[in-house]
Amino acid sequence: AQSVTQPDIHITVSEGASLELRCNYSYGATPYLFWYVQSPGQGLQLLLKYFSGDTLVQGIKGFEAEFKRSQSSFNLRKPSVHWSDAAEYFCAVGAPAAGNKLTFGGGTRVLVKP
Amino acid sequence: GAGVSQSPSNKVTEKGKDVELRCDPISGHTALYWYRQSLGQGLEFLIYFQGNSAPDKSGLPSDRFSAERTGGSVSTLTIQRTQQEDSAVYLCASSPLQNPFVGTQYFGPGTRLLVL
Repeated sequence: AQSVTQPDIHITVSEGASLELRCNYSYGATPYLFWYVQSPGQGLQLLLKYFSGDTLVQGIKGFEAEFKRSQSSFNLRKPSVHWSDAAEYFCAVGAPAAGNKLTFGGGTRVLVKP
Repeated sequence: GAGVSQSPSNKVTEKGKDVELRCDPISGHTALYWYRQSLGQGLEFLIYFQGNSAPDKSGLPSDRFSAERTGGSVSTLTIQRTQQEDSAVYLCASSPLQNPFVGTQYFGPGTRLLVL
């Protein structure tokens, strides 16, 4: 069975600083990997996804993520954080052999200091 | 175009009552998923539909939970004899089959259920 770990429950970052959110997954084959963002009271919005090919993927809102098979990681990065990036971020793995149902990590809540 | 919609947005019910939650997926999306988001358990998969059939019901927490999908479109999640531990946000997502979007799920805003 697949699993996802997001080691950081909370991260506080100053506006304009860089941000990196960690994600480690466990899955027996090549996974589909996703990052979603959830703003307070909102649904989940897809930031980016990795299926195959280039291991560095670009997403919306200036985010990028790098797939590292050797480390079973899919970390999310942003070079310069804006106050509007304050939200909860979820990493997820999809199982192509199981209807692509998503297994989510526990989430990382990002607070942005002015 | 229109996204995934869910109704009601909020539902307060008394313990022991039945509730129905509705999901309208994005038009043309053949796959539909239900998830639950609660404080203690995070985001959990409940059930998955491909067309009108449900190949994977493995996430339904008990036999009080059921779901159906009709016409390959609207889905209803029913919780019978609700318990306080059913309080959560129920999220619906839909997904197309065609590449390159296969496997990408688009989420609705959720239904917040509170069982008193």
